[in-house]
Amino acid sequence: EAGVVQSPRYKIIEKKQPVAFWCNPISGHNTLYWYRQNLGQGPELLIRYENEEAVDDSQLPKDRFSAERLKGVDSTLKIQPAELGDSAVYLCASSLSSLDEQYFGPGTRLTVT
Amino acid sequence: GNSVTQMEGPVTLSEEAFLTINCTYTATGYPSLFWYVQYPGEGLQLLLKATKADDKGSNKGFEATYRKETTSFHLEKGSVQVSDSAVYFCHLNAGGTSYGKLTFGQGTILTVHP
Repeated sequence: EAGVVQSPRYKIIEKKQPVAFWCNPISGHNTLYWYRQNLGQGPELLIRYENEEAVDDSQLPKDRFSAERLKGVDSTLKIQPAELGDSAVYLCASSLSSLDEQYFGPGTRLTVT
Repeated sequence: GNSVTQMEGPVTLSEEAFLTINCTYTATGYPSLFWYVQYPGEGLQLLLKATKADDKGSNKGFEATYRKETTSFHLEKGSVQVSDSAVYFCHLNAGGTSYGKLTFGQGTILTVHP
């Protein structure tokens, strides 16, 4: 069974530039999560989807971050414009339901210069 | 709101030593509790879980008991190995819309020496 796929694995951009991350969850998983993980910290939830509906986006900085999950499968997280403080690892995870264990992708390491 | 507090590390042990990593939580309702592990160069993966009070989760020699009276879910292993060197994260999942920002602990780095 394929795991959670994320791309790209690494991204270096200059501040004020846009960037997008893509996630393909495990087949059949209804719940999809985007997290941000800073060095030495645990993952912090940015947004959670149940199928195509964003049910928890209270931690998403909506002035610059946006996300979508068309057709309830793949998801894209976008930052525009990026700031220096956005440098982090962006993790995607999926689960059968919101109460089940999560399966994490390898993450995208973003560096904003 | 929901949150977890995890003991600060790093933790350095010799092989075959006893391990405890403390985790306490604050939650409304009846959350499920998890320990995730991140081995060097790999993504986070589930280590064990418990879904209700007094449940004991176990895997790979690790154990954790869901203690509602002390709001704790401490991770233990009787005899660690070099291959257990990793970062360990405590996680609370209350489901619904009460997910919260701080539902993962900050992580504890474990290093086991031969």
